[in-house]
Amino acid sequence: GNSVTQMEGPVTLSEEAFLTINCTYTATGYPSLFWYVQYPGEGLQLLLKATKADDKGSNKGFEATYRKETTSFHLEKGSVQVSDSAVYFCALSDGGSQGNLIFGKGTKLSVKP
Amino acid sequence: DAGITQSPRHKVTETGTPVTLRCHQTENHRYMYWYRQDPGHGLRLIHYSYGVKDTDKGEVSDGYSVSRSKTEDFLLTLESATSSQTSVYFCAISEFGSRDQPQHFGDGTRLSIL
Repeated sequence: GNSVTQMEGPVTLSEEAFLTINCTYTATGYPSLFWYVQYPGEGLQLLLKATKADDKGSNKGFEATYRKETTSFHLEKGSVQVSDSAVYFCALSDGGSQGNLIFGKGTKLSVKP
Repeated sequence: DAGITQSPRHKVTETGTPVTLRCHQTENHRYMYWYRQDPGHGLRLIHYSYGVKDTDKGEVSDGYSVSRSKTEDFLLTLESATSSQTSVYFCAISEFGSRDQPQHFGDGTRLSIL
């Protein structure tokens, strides 16, 4: 079945450090890929998405490229801020079940000043 | 922000009692979803709805039922709550339910079953 694997956390970085959170997936067909962010006490917010191979999603300085050959969708940011501290979820949707999302387990990021 | 309201936001109850969580949306979206979030599991789909009175099971549907009598409301019921259902529950909505369309989430309900 379809699945998403993302790197275990927590990840602790200093402000202005480079961020990479790895995400790989297993899916039949051509899924869409998403990154969601969850700030403490809140629901999930869409951070970025990519719907086909080689697409690059970007938002708020975060980027991720849909790599079909490596079945990956790694999240990157060149210079993190304290306000980026949150839990990040990678997810896929193959549309097979009414657009249902399959999530990774989440990666908690803490950024220290 | 998408107009999604979950109620209650927090609830503590005892094993064996019935519990109903409500999700209300003001976006007139066709698709609505219930997820549970547990440490080490990410979010897992419980049930979803693709229209009024049209619902289907997700990955972890045992012990849960849902109802949707109006477009804007999607109810999740635990008929007889168990401690294993202690979790944070999220509602999500989607306009078309297609694979390239993101879902929008409510702020969650934290449910503790003692």
